[in-house]
Amino acid sequence: GQNIDQPTEMTATEGAIVQINCTYQTSGFNGLFWYQQHAGEAPTFLSYNVLDGLEEKGRFSSFLSRSKGYSYLLLKELQMKDSASYLCAGTNSNSGYALNFGKGTSLLVTP
Amino acid sequence: DTGVSQDPRHKITKRGQNVTFRCDPISEHNRLYWYRQTLGQGPEFLTYFQNEAQLEKSRLLSDRFSAERPKGSFSTLEIQRTEQGDSAMYLCASSLGQGKNIQYFGAGTRLSVL
Repeated sequence: GQNIDQPTEMTATEGAIVQINCTYQTSGFNGLFWYQQHAGEAPTFLSYNVLDGLEEKGRFSSFLSRSKGYSYLLLKELQMKDSASYLCAGTNSNSGYALNFGKGTSLLVTP
Repeated sequence: DTGVSQDPRHKITKRGQNVTFRCDPISEHNRLYWYRQTLGQGPEFLTYFQNEAQLEKSRLLSDRFSAERPKGSFSTLEIQRTEQGDSAMYLCASSLGQGKNIQYFGAGTRLSVL
């Protein structure tokens, strides 16, 4: 595995900004994904980072630092529908094309 | 554009029975993956196919589990002699196998072993 570590739960207010952090072991690192998963539904792809820096896509942005083994997902202008689990997943040259997921961060957006 | 579809969505079985799940990937996706997810956890990789070839299997995939993708399109996952510990959501994903190799997931089959 890649020892993906992310907080278990977070709470934020509608309209606010929230940052969900993820750390991983850097050995063999080959790319990092973020997925969103609503309860009982399929994980849906949000972002992919393989190079250092920030990738912006609408209200969602993802950042990667390869040297620090660190990524974050930034959600702006939070909406109630953003309440979901956010999964950080790494790919590793030692494990082929499998995604190694963290346990997920359950985000609750409150009014 | 149809996404990844899985059948059935729910399966309840008694311990010791065999079950089979089906996954239809996005058309033209040559890679297909199976994952298992339990409550409060992220998905755990089980196995993946490139076309009809099964190229990688996790140590989680005991000898009671077998997966096939006979024509490089749909795939089946069979669990023999089910145990209560097999209760989980079984997710299928597919990818084009190029560029970012983004994996797109189906809604899963929820298995309950009584």
